[in-house]
Parts: sequence; structure tokens; C-alpha cells
Amino acid sequence: KAGVTQTPRYLIKTRGQQVTLSCSPISGHRSVSWYQQTPGQGLQFLFEYFSETQRNKGNFPGRFSGRQFSNSRSEMNVSTLELGDSALYLCASSLDRDGYTFGSGTRLTVV
Amino acid sequence: AQSVAQPEDQVNVAEGNPLTVKCTYSVSGNPYLFWYVQYPNRGLQFLLKYITGDNLVKGSYGFEAEFNKSQTSFHLKKPSALVSDSALYFCAVRDPGSGGYQKVTFGIGTKLQVIP
Repeated sequence: KAGVTQTPRYLIKTRGQQVTLSCSPISGHRSVSWYQQTPGQGLQFLFEYFSETQRNKGNFPGRFSGRQFSNSRSEMNVSTLELGDSALYLCASSLDRDGYTFGSGTRLTVV
Repeated sequence: AQSVAQPEDQVNVAEGNPLTVKCTYSVSGNPYLFWYVQYPNRGLQFLLKYITGDNLVKGSYGFEAEFNKSQTSFHLKKPSALVSDSALYFCAVRDPGSGGYQKVTFGIGTKLQVIP
């Protein structure tokens, strides 16, 4: 079966712009989580959605937001981009007791 | 709050030798524990998990991990390292808590370098 699909793979944006990243989970997985990965900080949890409801949120500013649709696809949005938002953004889907299945990520570069 | 520690930034091992990548955790309840591997410019790949049962868990690519509750550890092991095992390894924990809705917390990662 198809894995977790993240689009786009690469993105270059200018400071102050906004960006939307997309994630399609494995069919049947209703939980979608987002992580930010940077060399110095490792994987930082952004948020988790389950059946269109946000049930966990990390310690990121309000510029970071997300949503999940009825087909379990998820989007995350970052407004007013800062240089420090440059990172690999990873999406993962899961059944609750299982481990995550990750997408390949979206590499965001803010210039 | 749950947490994971990977005390080694990098582990170097000669090809053919056994390898160990260390992980310790802190949770309030009984943990779900995971190991993932990441190759350059890729997402994380699931290796193995411990939910309950036998303390020795076998996973993909010949890796295994041992859950030690008294030492709160979940070290990743492989009897004979391959050059292709060189990658970044992440330990992760989930505290099921109430309803299993707790997030998964990842360690900082350990870079494994297998030397030919």
C-alpha cells in the first residue's frame, strides 16, 4: 500500500511569506503528526491530528498551524516566515499503538 | 513529562563487530518504545517497537533492542555491523497515559558510523 506522501519535497521562501505543506497519510491511518527537524534541535513535535481534531500541540508559536480533512489528509501552515523556520518538516501517520510511518519530508529554506 | 536521552552523539564501529546504540527514557507509566533510522535527505524508517511482552524485541535489518525496566533503558543492538548500517538512529517513547493520546517524544539522535 502507498506510504505517507508529503508535498512539496523542497521549498524556498522569503522571510515574511507564508507556506502550506501537505501530507497524505497511509490509507486507514487517522492520526497524523508533524515534526520539525533541525540539526541542533533534533525532532521537535509540532502537533497531532486525529479525526480532524487537534489532540496534541507542541511548544511552537501561533504562526504554526495545521488542520486535518475528513479524508485524513493534513496540512500545516507557517505564516510570517523567519530564517529560523528553515528545517525539514516531517509528517507521520499511525494507528495509535503502532509506531509512526514517516513521509520523506519537506525541506523548507527561508531566505 | 516524558523524555528520551541518547547519550552518544556518534558511535563508531568496525564492520563485522557488534554495535550498540544507547537509549534511556523517562515516563510516568508503562512506555511504548521505538527505534527509527534515518538516511540522508529521507524521512525516518521504523525499525522496531516495544509495547509489552518479551523484553528482547527483534526488528528490521537484523536489529534488536532490549527493554530494561529497572534501568529505564532500551538499547539498540546488532551482532554484526554493516557499512550500510551507517545512518542516524532515533529512539522514541510514548507514554500511553490516558487514552493513548500522548505524543511521541524523540531523542536527539545518534550517528552510527560503520568503518570498513
